[in-house]
Amino acid sequence: DVKVTQSSRYLVKRTGEKVFLECVQDMDHENMFWYRQDPGLGLRLIYFSYDVKMKEKGDIPEGYSVSREKKERFSLILESASTNQTSMYLCASNPLRQMRPGANVLTFGAGSRLTVL
Amino acid sequence: AQRVTQPEKLLSVFKGAPVELKCNYSYSGSPELFWYVQYSRQRLQLLLRHISRESIKGFTADLNKGETSFHLKKPFAQEEDSAMYYCALSGSKNAGGTSYGKLTFGQGTILTVHP
Repeated sequence: DVKVTQSSRYLVKRTGEKVFLECVQDMDHENMFWYRQDPGLGLRLIYFSYDVKMKEKGDIPEGYSVSREKKERFSLILESASTNQTSMYLCASNPLRQMRPGANVLTFGAGSRLTVL
Repeated sequence: AQRVTQPEKLLSVFKGAPVELKCNYSYSGSPELFWYVQYSRQRLQLLLRHISRESIKGFTADLNKGETSFHLKKPFAQEEDSAMYYCALSGSKNAGGTSYGKLTFGQGTILTVHP
């Protein structure tokens, strides 16, 4: 019962290429997030979206953009890939209206491991 | 600004020994704290959250606001506990009080339980 699906598990790209990472969730969640996961640095938030066509920068948005044209789909775009963007990228989602404390539980995808040569 | 610190990158224990994974946080308001776990070749998933005051797979974590800590503990470690563990904090809220659900994660601790 996969709920957050990331289209590519492994990608190898060259410096300067445009890269699209796709994420789809089937839980009707409003919030969607893109994190990158690096050893020793943990997970760092790149961008998130709380509604269709809405987006906000996370902690490390430089070099990335996102697109949310449909509620279930959230795409991460690397306009011109660089070697320092080699990483594991994790997509996650959760419902927006979680007024109950402690209900902010993220559901993660399997991850997309990107290597930029 | 909110921050989560996990001081140990690696932690090794033997099966049956107690284990404690440390987590300290910095946040000016009232935080919500979580522990997430990633087993080998599996997705990152929630282990437990402080508000539930629950024990999952023998793990517990108590929020200590005085020490701004949320350490994860298990009295008797098992080999299947070997994994990457992340402490996370949710503290961002918009003006209406609704949380966007953004989590700030720590650097992670790799726990290895030896037989």
